[in-house]
Amino acid sequence: GENVEQHPSTLSVQEGDSAVIKCTYSDSASNYFPWYKQELGKRPQLIIDIRSNVGEKKDQRIAVTLNKTAKHFSLHITETQPEDSAVYFCAASDPSGTYKYIFGTGTRLKVLA
Amino acid sequence: DAGITQSPRHKVTETGTPVTLRCHQTENHRYMYWYRQDPGHGLRLIHYSYGVKDTDKGEVSDGYSVSRSKTEDFLLTLESATSSQTSVYFCATNQQGSKYGNTIYFGEGSWLTVV
Repeated sequence: GENVEQHPSTLSVQEGDSAVIKCTYSDSASNYFPWYKQELGKRPQLIIDIRSNVGEKKDQRIAVTLNKTAKHFSLHITETQPEDSAVYFCAASDPSGTYKYIFGTGTRLKVLA
Repeated sequence: DAGITQSPRHKVTETGTPVTLRCHQTENHRYMYWYRQDPGHGLRLIHYSYGVKDTDKGEVSDGYSVSRSKTEDFLLTLESATSSQTSVYFCATNQQGSKYGNTIYFGEGSWLTVV
């Protein structure tokens, strides 16, 4: 089945700097890759997603890139702010047609003021 | 928030007792999921459902069972709770699938402690 690896597990950046989180997946047939943000004690919430027919997607300070050949996708946050501090999860759709989603192990992002 | 409510939100139980967590959704989504979240492991799929009475196992299904008798309700049961099942449990839903995946929405989570 699908396997998703996420790096780094923790990331500290200065306010205003950029942050990049990377994920790799194992099954080349996966076609949907969402990113979730989870604040302390809260539920994960979707912040951006990308489908396999697109190479890049942007939403204000957040962007996601997808490299299907290498089977990896990345989350880019520019001009980081303290409120960006949270745990971020990547996920990949299981291509078996069952609409399962396999998550990475998460990245704890700390934005230092 | 996709109208997903979980109950109970917090529970402390003793080893060996049965526990049932309930997920209720108001969006008429076809797919429902139970995940557990543990430090260092992220979100791991326990069981999922693709329709009424249609369920299947996920990555970490041992010790858990599920039932879905109505579209809106998905129950997770720990037959005999163990300390290793102390975790935060999230229910999630997804509408009818398209060619590409659809957004999944999470409930608020249920904190379970097994002592």
